Amino acid sequence: GNSVTQMEGPVTLSEEAFLTINCTYTATGYPSLFWYVQYPGEGLQLLLKATKADDKGSNKGFEATYRKETTSFHLEKGSVQVSDSAVYFCALSNGNQGGKLIFGQGTELSVKP
Amino acid sequence: KAGVTQTPRYLIKTRGQQVTLSCSPISGHRSVSWYQQTPGQGLQFLFEYFSETQRNKGNFPGRFSGRQFSNSRSEMNVSTLELGDSALYLCASSILSGGGQETQYFGPGTRLLVL
Repeated sequence: GNSVTQMEGPVTLSEEAFLTINCTYTATGYPSLFWYVQYPGEGLQLLLKATKADDKGSNKGFEATYRKETTSFHLEKGSVQVSDSAVYFCALSNGNQGGKLIFGQGTELSVKP
Repeated sequence: KAGVTQTPRYLIKTRGQQVTLSCSPISGHRSVSWYQQTPGQGLQFLFEYFSETQRNKGNFPGRFSGRQFSNSRSEMNVSTLELGDSALYLCASSILSGGGQETQYFGPGTRLLVL
């Protein structure tokens, strides 16, 4: 079946540090991959997405590349800010299951000044 | 353009009661999905509706049901509430259903507490 695995948190970084949150997936066919972010007390916001192999999604300084050979979609940011503190979710959507999103367990990021 | 709206935002119920949650998708979006978020199980898919038809269903008991109206607004109902139903219920909308590439836009959620 389809599944997503993320690195466990919490991740604590100092401001301006480099961020990597690992995400790997298992899926049949050719899924689309997403990163969502959830700030305290809020719903999910789409951060970035990639719909085919070797696509790079980017937004607000965050990047992730769809690597089919390693079934990965790692999230990176060169210099984090305190305002990036949130929970990050990796997710996949497989065309044979309609719009259903399958999420990883989430990674909490805390950025200290 | 207004985002996905969910009502109510907070709800307290007791075991055995039933509850109805409402979701209004982004204007023009025809697909609505529901998710349950709990600390233990994370984000789990409940069901998806498109053009008033349930297109997909997750692994939840029959106490969880939903429907979609002709204006794409959706409701979900949980009957005979259990303590374990306490969760954040998130609704998401997208323009179409089936391709898997459409972005789903989430509402702020309804936080349900069952006592």
